[in-house]
Amino acid sequence: QQQVKQSPQSLIVQKGGISIINCAYENTAFDYFPWYQQFPGKGPALLIAIRPDVSEKKEGRFTISFNKSAKQFSLHIMDSQPGDSATYFCAAKLSGGSNYKLTFGKGTLLTVNP
Amino acid sequence: NAGVTQTPKFQVLKTGQSMTLQCAQDMNHEYMSWYRQDPGMGLRLIHYSVGAGITDQGEVPNGYNVSRSTTEDFPLRLLSAAPSQTSVYFCASSYSGELFFGEGSRLTVL
Repeated sequence: QQQVKQSPQSLIVQKGGISIINCAYENTAFDYFPWYQQFPGKGPALLIAIRPDVSEKKEGRFTISFNKSAKQFSLHIMDSQPGDSATYFCAAKLSGGSNYKLTFGKGTLLTVNP
Repeated sequence: NAGVTQTPKFQVLKTGQSMTLQCAQDMNHEYMSWYRQDPGMGLRLIHYSVGAGITDQGEVPNGYNVSRSTTEDFPLRLLSAAPSQTSVYFCASSYSGELFFGEGSRLTVL
């Protein structure tokens, strides 16, 4: 049972364009929604995260939009650069305690052409 | 400050062999976990630990054992390797929700 569904599987964007990656979840007990960025040969690293009490969070060129009623959240990369080419994973965490286990989406391979 | 260190980075095993993937963190994080990454499957949780002496199963625990005798170390053991365990394995630790990942261990089982 996949609890976090991510789309698209791959995405090609021209330099300067907007990259949009979408995720949907089913479990309303999730209370933390991070996005991780992974470069080839490296481990994933936290990019940006949001909690369900806000609808949007922006850090530089990266923005998370969150729709609690639709149980969806998305990552927007403005002015996409070739250096943004990587695999992006959305994730979700159940509320409560010190258990930080994340459920990940299947990932999106982003290619930004120069 | 090394963060999360995984060894080995690459390993080739024959079916039925056993091995241990090592993971060490120097951030004094209580939470540690192991994920496997397969093409098109994302990151799937194998086992996790919320502190020394406490471990629990994740989404795909079969064929793997873990133990947590110290805060720093969280080894992952394959008792009898199978080709289905060919994957890239990531160890991660956390204090406040953000997972810090190692650089991965690529395992091939022939």
